[in-house]
Amino acid sequence: GDSVTQMEGPVTLSEEAFLTINCTYTATGYPSLFWYVQYPGEGLQLLLKATKADDKGSNKGFEATYRKETTSFHLEKGSVQVSDSAVYFCALLGGSNYKLTFGKGTLLTVNP
Amino acid sequence: KAGVTQTPRYLIKTRGQQVTLSCSPISGHRSVSWYQQTPGQGLQFLFEYFSETQRNKGNFPGRFSGRQFSNSRSEMNVSTLELGDSALYLCASSLSKVDTQYFGPGTRLTVL
Repeated sequence: GDSVTQMEGPVTLSEEAFLTINCTYTATGYPSLFWYVQYPGEGLQLLLKATKADDKGSNKGFEATYRKETTSFHLEKGSVQVSDSAVYFCALLGGSNYKLTFGKGTLLTVNP
Repeated sequence: KAGVTQTPRYLIKTRGQQVTLSCSPISGHRSVSWYQQTPGQGLQFLFEYFSETQRNKGNFPGRFSGRQFSNSRSEMNVSTLELGDSALYLCASSLSKVDTQYFGPGTRLTVL
């Protein structure tokens, strides 16, 4: 079945540091890929998405590129802020079913 | 446009009771999915509804059930509650099965 593997962290960075959170996937067909973010006490917010190979999703300084050859969708940001502290989830939406498959989440803490 | 709303936000129940959670999707969205989030198991898919029909179901016991109404609002019910049912229950809506899912704030269920 479909699966998502992401670095579990926790990741602790200083403000303005570079961020990478790795995400790889296994899926049949051609899934869409997503990054969601969850702040304490809240639901999931869509951060960015990519629906086909070589697409780059971007939002609020975050970027991720759909790499079919390496089955990866790594999240990057050039300069993190304290307000980016949250849990980040990589997810895929397979073409053969109607559910999102999530990674285990990565807790990011950014210190001033 | 209003986002996905879930009620209630918090619930405390005792073992053996039953509970009903409600979800109102984004206007125009006809697909509603439910997920359970726990520290141990992460985010797990419960079921998905489209036009009042359940199209997909996750690996949960029959105590977990749901339905969707003609206005796309959805409810999920958990009967004979167990301690392990304590979780954040998230609802997500989308235009169709292959579209981006947008999440509500969740209902935090505590079973004592």
